[in-house]
Amino acid sequence: GAVVSQHPSWVICKSGTSVKIECRSLDFQATTMFWYRQFPKQSLMLMATSNEGSKATYEQGVEKDKFLINHASLTLSTLTVTSAHPEDSSFYICSSGGEAATEAFFGQGTRLTVV
Amino acid sequence: AQSVTQPDIHITVSEGASLELRCNYSYGATPYLFWYVQSPGQGLQLLLKYFSGDTLVQGIKGFEAEFKRSQSSFNLRKPSVHWSDAAEYFCAVGPNRDDKIIFGKGTRLHILP
Repeated sequence: GAVVSQHPSWVICKSGTSVKIECRSLDFQATTMFWYRQFPKQSLMLMATSNEGSKATYEQGVEKDKFLINHASLTLSTLTVTSAHPEDSSFYICSSGGEAATEAFFGQGTRLTVV
Repeated sequence: AQSVTQPDIHITVSEGASLELRCNYSYGATPYLFWYVQSPGQGLQLLLKYFSGDTLVQGIKGFEAEFKRSQSSFNLRKPSVHWSDAAEYFCAVGPNRDDKIIFGKGTRLHILP
């Protein structure tokens, strides 16, 4: 199946700094990428949908100024957590819509710890 | 509204025993249904999916699931679990590509030796 590569796998940052997470589709073009957040022992919460070349669509309650999403090319979407705080510590996962439709391919996830 | 319910938060079975994880969905049209598995600290891996056709779907790692429209269910089964099956399992429902996939809250599977 298609491969989505997400980096970094884990990151520790100081409170107040920004962190960028990258999600790449390695062998197909992803016109749409989804960004999820997962708290410990919880399900995945969709944060936003990014479309190549246009603004991301954020879910209700997600701060668009804090979680900046860029989808500048068909193979790369980035999520930047700006001015990170300890409460932003979480597991972030990206996924793409499959080129053959009706399947999501997930990145490996990024464990963010803000200290 | 679309929703996915996994009634069991935790399930514990003995190694070698059979397994069934429950999933119920609410969806206005014919859904696309998925089961994903997540090991600790890892991303999600697709076990199987149902779009149409045969209601009994075979997946990887010996898993299967049966779509029952009358019961709005898509339960995951495995005849004999292995210790390596211990993980979190998510049922999900989605329309077509580039649209959202809605996840259940997950069922954590524990395996007793």
